[in-house]
Amino acid sequence: QKEVEQNSGPLSVPEGAIASLNCTYSDRGSQSFFWYRQYSGKSPELIMFIYSNGDKEDGRFTAQLNKASQYVSLLIRDSQPSDSATYLCAPDSGNTPLVFGKGTRLSVIA
Amino acid sequence: DVKVTQSSRYLVKRTGEKVFLECVQDMDHENMFWYRQDPGLGLRLIYFSYDVKMKEKGDIPEGYSVSREKKERFSLILESASTNQTSMYLCASSKREATIEQYFGPGTRLTVT
Repeated sequence: QKEVEQNSGPLSVPEGAIASLNCTYSDRGSQSFFWYRQYSGKSPELIMFIYSNGDKEDGRFTAQLNKASQYVSLLIRDSQPSDSATYLCAPDSGNTPLVFGKGTRLSVIA
Repeated sequence: DVKVTQSSRYLVKRTGEKVFLECVQDMDHENMFWYRQDPGLGLRLIYFSYDVKMKEKGDIPEGYSVSREKKERFSLILESASTNQTSMYLCASSKREATIEQYFGPGTRLTVT
């Protein structure tokens, strides 16, 4: 059984701070990693994708991947109240449905 | 722009009723998925399909069945609805490639009374 672990939170950060969201996974065959954002009452939407070790930056978002440690993280710089949502991590082993973590709920306090 | 639509946003059914949840995608995706999402349990895969007429069980298929007669449409069927099937149901689709980004529909909030 492939497992994806995320701290459920809530993670509370003040507006303008850096939010750090973490994810560990059990399947060493995972090659790519997705971060989805889910606002309350809405469906998940893809915000980041990473497949190489190291960092990938997209605006205020940075995904970090360490395959040796089976660890992927998402940093949100200059956090805004509109970033308040649940963030889901999903490793991809290829040709199978994504296995999602239960998500970390982020609350950005104005 | 990928679009996944679901037949209803909210649905209320009685115990024992047969329930159909419909999902349609307009991007010619080969793969389609049905999840349910409950507080504290995350997204759980019910069934998925890699092609027309094909279906695979996910992690929690009991009490559900599916139908995929056309590539763009994937239906979830609750043969005899029970109160423990009250949940948010999410449909998703993706292309059949090595890296599978999944696109989600808006969800159906089903209440079984």
